[in-house]
Amino acid sequence: GDSVTQMEGPVTLSEEAFLTINCTYTATGYPSLFWYVQYPGEGLQLLLKATKADDKGSNKGFEATYRKETTSFHLEKGSVQVSDSAVYFCALSEREYGNKLVFGAGTILRVKS
Amino acid sequence: NAGVMQNPRHLVRRRGQEARLRCSPMKGHSHVYWYRQLPEEGLKFMVYLQKENIIDESGMPKERFSAEFPKEGPSILRIQQVVRGDSAAYFCASSLRQGVDTGELFFGEGSRLTVL
Repeated sequence: GDSVTQMEGPVTLSEEAFLTINCTYTATGYPSLFWYVQYPGEGLQLLLKATKADDKGSNKGFEATYRKETTSFHLEKGSVQVSDSAVYFCALSEREYGNKLVFGAGTILRVKS
Repeated sequence: NAGVMQNPRHLVRRRGQEARLRCSPMKGHSHVYWYRQLPEEGLKFMVYLQKENIIDESGMPKERFSAEFPKEGPSILRIQQVVRGDSAAYFCASSLRQGVDTGELFFGEGSRLTVL
């Protein structure tokens, strides 16, 4: 079945450091790819998405590029802030199953000032 | 993200009791999803419903768990005879339509169930 694999955390960075969170996927079709963020005590919020190969999703300084050849969707940010501390989830959605999302296990990001 | 309302936010039950979790989707959304997040894990799909219909319940345990989304009122996730392993955060999400062009789900803040 479809699956998403994320790098294990927690990832601890100093403010203004460069962030990469790796995400790779396995899917039989052509999924849409997403990054969701969960701040402490809250539900998930969509951070960015890409619906086809080579698309780049971006939001709030975060970026991720849909790489079909490497089945990856790595999340990057050039300069993290303390307020970026959260859990980040990579996910995919297979069109034929409606809007069902398959999530990775999540990566905890801690940013220190 | 605002707009999907879940209640209660926190629920404590003793083993053997019933838990009922409610979810009101965003206005105009007729597709509802329930996900479960166990401690230290990602979200796992449980069930996908449209008004009065269960579309996909492949992630739902076969026993003790049920879900509904009536014509009027919120969606309900019901867990009978709860056990400690049911302790988790249960998230509801809604979407405007089925089939992905964006695949974007809007999540509620979750209901955290603790079974003593």
